[in-house]
Amino acid sequence: NAGVTQTPKFQVLKTGQSMTLQCAQDMNHNSMYWYRQDPGMGLRLIYYSASEGTTDKGEVPNGYNVSRLNKREFSLRLESAAPSQTSVYFCASSLGPAMNTEAFFGQGTRLTVV
Amino acid sequence: AQSVAQPEDQVNVAEGNPLTVKCTYSVSGNPYLFWYVQYPNRGLQFLLKYITGDNLVKGSYGFEAEFNKSQTSFHLKKPSALVSDSALYFCAVRDGRGYSTLTFGKGTMLLVSP
Repeated sequence: NAGVTQTPKFQVLKTGQSMTLQCAQDMNHNSMYWYRQDPGMGLRLIYYSASEGTTDKGEVPNGYNVSRLNKREFSLRLESAAPSQTSVYFCASSLGPAMNTEAFFGQGTRLTVV
Repeated sequence: AQSVAQPEDQVNVAEGNPLTVKCTYSVSGNPYLFWYVQYPNRGLQFLLKYITGDNLVKGSYGFEAEFNKSQTSFHLKKPSALVSDSALYFCAVRDGRGYSTLTFGKGTMLLVSP
């Protein structure tokens, strides 16, 4: 049981390049999330998908797009990378939108934009 | 809007001593509270949650947390710290009204010395 799998684990981009971060979960969860983690700022929600077929903006959506490809997969795209997007990105999933369900996290993608 | 405060960037404790990592929250409805731990270069791991019921919640690895509604706090505790407990700890909250996502605190680094 792999849980939440993110690819790639590390990436270096030049300013202006684009890339897609992939995330897949095998727990049959309905809700999926993308967070970024920056020193001293904790985790901030970028986008989420409460259920298959829906996506919504989180706290810091600018510069990002997402696709809920199917129930298992939720990708995050940077169309034109900027140095301010240098961060560690975490994908997470939870059983559903109910308030009592905890989220399970992937191992993270460390992205550097130069 | 919901928010979480972790007032200490770092907590230092000697092995064998009790530890407390503080968390206060703000929500409009009933709070649903979570603690996560992050080891170096890893994703977040769920430790415990408070949904309703007993104010003292027990979780993984001997950790527990005390919910105090009047003080809007959810402090993480452990009776006897281990060096292996050294990690970054995050408190998170969900508002109990309707669907809401997790809001994380900025994290507290726990350092347990031998």
